Amino acid sequence: GQSLEQPSEVTAVEGAIVQINCTYQTSGFYGLSWYQQHDGGAPTFLSYNALDGLEETGRFSSFLSRSDSYGYLLLQELQMKDSASYFCAVRDRTGGFKTIFGAGTRLFVKA
Amino acid sequence: EAGVAQSPRYKIIEKRQSVAFWCNPISGHATLYWYQQILGQGPKLLIQFQNNGVVDDSQLPKDRFSAERLKGVDSTLKIQPAKLEDSAVYLCASSLPETGSYEQYFGPGTRLTVT
Repeated sequence: GQSLEQPSEVTAVEGAIVQINCTYQTSGFYGLSWYQQHDGGAPTFLSYNALDGLEETGRFSSFLSRSDSYGYLLLQELQMKDSASYFCAVRDRTGGFKTIFGAGTRLFVKA
Repeated sequence: EAGVAQSPRYKIIEKRQSVAFWCNPISGHATLYWYQQILGQGPKLLIQFQNNGVVDDSQLPKDRFSAERLKGVDSTLKIQPAKLEDSAVYLCASSLPETGSYEQYFGPGTRLTVT
């Protein structure tokens, strides 16, 4: 079957750097995505990794190691508005490229 | 570019009643997804369409849930009869059909409360 693990909560200070880890287990791994969701809002896409390495998009970066079945989302220069839930999601090519979401990591940014 | 539209935004029903949700994806997006998100959890895929064909519905409780996308554009998700545990946000998302396309665009969701 498929499974993803990520921490349930992370707390960090405004201006700091935080890393949210994600480990996954799936037979048809194709890529790893990250989504942000504010309370009461819809998930919004942040990044995607299909190959090993680091992808950078502004203050956010995402890393993937396919051999370790592991990835992380790195948020730099944290702002209060970054307080939200962050989901890693595996793109699995088994049965037609479906997406399986993790349970999410709730990030609290303190002043 | 208009986003993914969903209606209604909120719905309160009693258990054993039926309910339907509607979704209109972004124009040109052939792939449409319905997710169930229970409070505090990640979205759970219920059904995925490619045009009007079902790609995956392995997690759809078919004894009470049904979904259709007859013309390959908008879609409806129905629950009949509803149970208390169906209380959740139902999210619709769409994406381009190519296998290399990974970004899903989500609608605002429908918050369902079953009493």
